Amino acid sequence: DQQVKQNSPSLSVQEGRISILNCDYTNSMFDYFLWYKKYPAEGPTFLISISSIKDKNEDGRFTVFLNKSAKHLSLHIVPSQPGDSAVYFCAASVNNAGNMLTFGGGTRLMVKP
Amino acid sequence: SQTIHQWPATLVQPVGSPLSLECTVEGTSNPNLYWYRQAAGRGLQLLFYSVGIGQISSEVPQNLSASRPQDRQFILSSKKLLLSDSGFYLCAWSVVNEKLFFGSGTQLSVL
Repeated sequence: DQQVKQNSPSLSVQEGRISILNCDYTNSMFDYFLWYKKYPAEGPTFLISISSIKDKNEDGRFTVFLNKSAKHLSLHIVPSQPGDSAVYFCAASVNNAGNMLTFGGGTRLMVKP
Repeated sequence: SQTIHQWPATLVQPVGSPLSLECTVEGTSNPNLYWYRQAAGRGLQLLFYSVGIGQISSEVPQNLSASRPQDRQFILSSKKLLLSDSGFYLCAWSVVNEKLFFGSGTQLSVL
């Protein structure tokens, strides 16, 4: 049973436009959510996180939105840049911990110049 | 500052051969250590984690094993590789309840 799902395996966006990456989860015990970014042949790097006590967290061009009732979160990138092209993983954990993570399958974002 | 080293970067091994991947962390003491695998076209799957020397927890039954002989060293092993062991293996570390930091990964191809 996949507890964290990223239903879009890929997304293509024009440079300067908004990228919206979606993530759904099924485990209501999850209370901390993270997004990681991964370039080919490299390890994932932490991008942004959100605790379940919030519904929005913003860091520069990146904003994560959490809808607990829908068990859904999204990552918005505005404006999108070609360097944002990567695979984005959504992850979730319990007890507000950032380490024991359950990952989604990833979404490959392609930002076209 | 903390750094994590993982090697080798790529590895091609025949079916039935042994495996040893090594990971070391610098700049921190008593980290939690993890091995993840990303199979082709799939997400990250936690294989093993360790909260201390000699303490290994396995998340999924498989053909692999892990060991932590030193505080900042984590080793992933197999006695006989299977084709299904191919994938991108990632080592990661964290302090308790804090976010994960990943190594650069090892691309393993079993032929």
